Amino acid sequence: SSELTQDPAVSVALGQTVRITCQGDSLRSYYASWYQQKPGQAPVLVIYGKNNRPSGIPDRFSGSSSGNTASLTITGAQAEDEADYYCNSRDSSGNRVVFGGGTKLTVL
Amino acid sequence: QVQLQQWGAGLLKPSETLSLTCAVYGGSFSGYYWSWIRQPPGKGLEWIGEINHSGSTNYNPSLKSRVTISVDTSKNQFSLKLSSVTAADTAVYYCARGRGGSYPGYYYYYMDVWGKGTTVTVSS
Repeated sequence: SSELTQDPAVSVALGQTVRITCQGDSLRSYYASWYQQKPGQAPVLVIYGKNNRPSGIPDRFSGSSSGNTASLTITGAQAEDEADYYCNSRDSSGNRVVFGGGTKLTVL
Repeated sequence: QVQLQQWGAGLLKPSETLSLTCAVYGGSFSGYYWSWIRQPPGKGLEWIGEINHSGSTNYNPSLKSRVTISVDTSKNQFSLKLSSVTAADTAVYYCARGRGGSYPGYYYYYMDVWGKGTTVTVSS
């Protein structure tokens, strides 16, 4: 079982805004990082730290955090954003790495 | 541009030992966490463990009794061994580079470079 909890599936209409959430005790002290994974591919980092995007990640991706909940927001979702999204941090002790169970995003 | 290239046996029989290696090209080996992650078919990501350049390790408690992660800094490589495999260990295995640090009042951790993955099947 994951120590980070995500909704299994979320859908969004093309061009609309969607928020994917991740809950866990460790998020009170760790910023979540977020990964996009398309079928048959390795995960790709899309958000890290307070709200940072690696080079090449569109600015429609953003991150935020409040209490024990982290959020990934896609503003103006595109068809190519349809993928699985995973949150990640270390656990509260700092000794382990944890992943959320993943959220399957469907763009309608 | 840092790249991770991974390799290892893709088909194992139950009770055998899984062995994978990940080589780091184009970047420093020190100052990072080097992780192994796996993904069973149709399921989510599971962290297996990590090592740093000095050989300090952390493991997922659920796998700790069967896992060994080692490092060869002379070759910029790190390796995974998972003993006594069963069908439940069938998965795509990834290596990844982890980075951590802190802001005032908060920590951060992320994996910014990933290998392409190796499919490992355990079957008699």
